Amino acid sequence: EVQLVQSGAEVKKSGESLKISCKVSGYSFTNNWIGWVRQMPGKGLEWMGIIDPDDSDTRYNVSFRGQVTMSVDKSINTAYLQWRSLKASDTAMYYCARLQSRSRRLLSAFDYWGQGTLVTVSS
Amino acid sequence: QSVLTQPPSVSGAPGQRVTISCTGKSSNIGADFEVHWYQQLPGTAPKLLIFDNNNRPSGVPDRFASSRSGVSASLAITGLQAEDEADYYCQSYDSSLSVLLFGGGTKLTVL
Repeated sequence: EVQLVQSGAEVKKSGESLKISCKVSGYSFTNNWIGWVRQMPGKGLEWMGIIDPDDSDTRYNVSFRGQVTMSVDKSINTAYLQWRSLKASDTAMYYCARLQSRSRRLLSAFDYWGQGTLVTVSS
Repeated sequence: QSVLTQPPSVSGAPGQRVTISCTGKSSNIGADFEVHWYQQLPGTAPKLLIFDNNNRPSGVPDRFASSRSGVSASLAITGLQAEDEADYYCQSYDSSLSVLLFGGGTKLTVL
């Protein structure tokens, strides 16, 4: 069974750093790109970027480039999303999700999703 | 405002048919890029409902179907049930922005 299990909720202060995780199981980690999606309180879904676990190739939404960093650790089948300096506007639910088709990348659907990590940043 | 435009809300009575539109541009849906649909039940992660325009993952009932024409796509839900009450999102790719796009989302209320 394919599963993406994300790390728990975080409460941080503005200016602090943070790294959240997404551990996958049930399939070969390097076969599918992993994406990150933001959902601000009461709002819709926003694509942040995708990463290829095989070689750490990344594609960022220009709106998030420079604001976050995606990475993976193949040895433990885990993807990460990190911030160097959080802002109150980073308060949101963050989802990791698996891209269905390796070859079609951004044209592909997200077929499996993590349960989400709620990040709350106070000013 | 999202590049893929969805109505903020739709509603229907149990058993009825409802449709949710997703209107884009010539650089996304109009360019024949695939459209996918997600269902997000309250307090849960999104779930893939339709992929590649009109394919259902295993376990998704055939009450859910999608179509497309020109710069728009639509999700149709027939035989509406109380458990269908959720937010629905369309997704596609935009070649001029080089981004994966989600629609703004539509809240379905079952009356």
